[in-house]
Amino acid sequence: EPEVTQTPSHQVTQMGQEVILRCVPISNHLYFYWYRQILGQKVEFLVSFYNNEISEKSEIFDDQFSVERPDGSNFTLKIRSTKLEDSAMYFCASSDDWLEQYFGPGTRLTVT
Amino acid sequence: AQSVTQLDSQVPVFEEAPVELRCNYSSSVSVYLFWYVQYPNQGLQLLLKYLSGSTLVKGINGFEAEFNKSQTSFHLRKPSVHISDTAEYFCAVRSGAGSYQLTFGKGTKLSVIP
Repeated sequence: EPEVTQTPSHQVTQMGQEVILRCVPISNHLYFYWYRQILGQKVEFLVSFYNNEISEKSEIFDDQFSVERPDGSNFTLKIRSTKLEDSAMYFCASSDDWLEQYFGPGTRLTVT
Repeated sequence: AQSVTQLDSQVPVFEEAPVELRCNYSSSVSVYLFWYVQYPNQGLQLLLKYLSGSTLVKGINGFEAEFNKSQTSFHLRKPSVHISDTAEYFCAVRSGAGSYQLTFGKGTKLSVIP
């Protein structure tokens, strides 16, 4: 069964450094998403992406964040200058329509 | 804006007993409702969804949920749980007004006791 994959599973970085989280969505999907879950808190929507542009973003998704689909298979989330409060589990998801989003296993980002 | 409340952060239940995980939502527009399950070290997997029609929806692994518009609830039930159901369960809502984002509850950890 096709699945969304994410790399790395765990990323440790120092405050102020740039990080890129990578996702490979399911191959025929057209809609892509990033969510995050800070430890002990809710899963929160960050951004959705369709047709090579952002279709929706939350207040969390400020200028420090960016997304890209650099080729036909990858979908990335970049954080330009990480802060301690960016430490969280980041989930990528994809869907072929609006009905069901398929989630990856997540990348745990630890900012020290 | 919409929100989701899962009142129980942890639910312990004995194997083969029934379980109900509660979910209430608030929204000013029509919504679509989802339950996701997360097993340890895995991603979120869709259990079931309510889009329209029958208010009782059945999902995978023997779970079902009932949409109650007047009570703005979407509780998840299973008549007899197994050890393998031990996981965290998330209720989520999506606005029917053209938004793709899911709004999640805080999750309920279900622990099945042998």
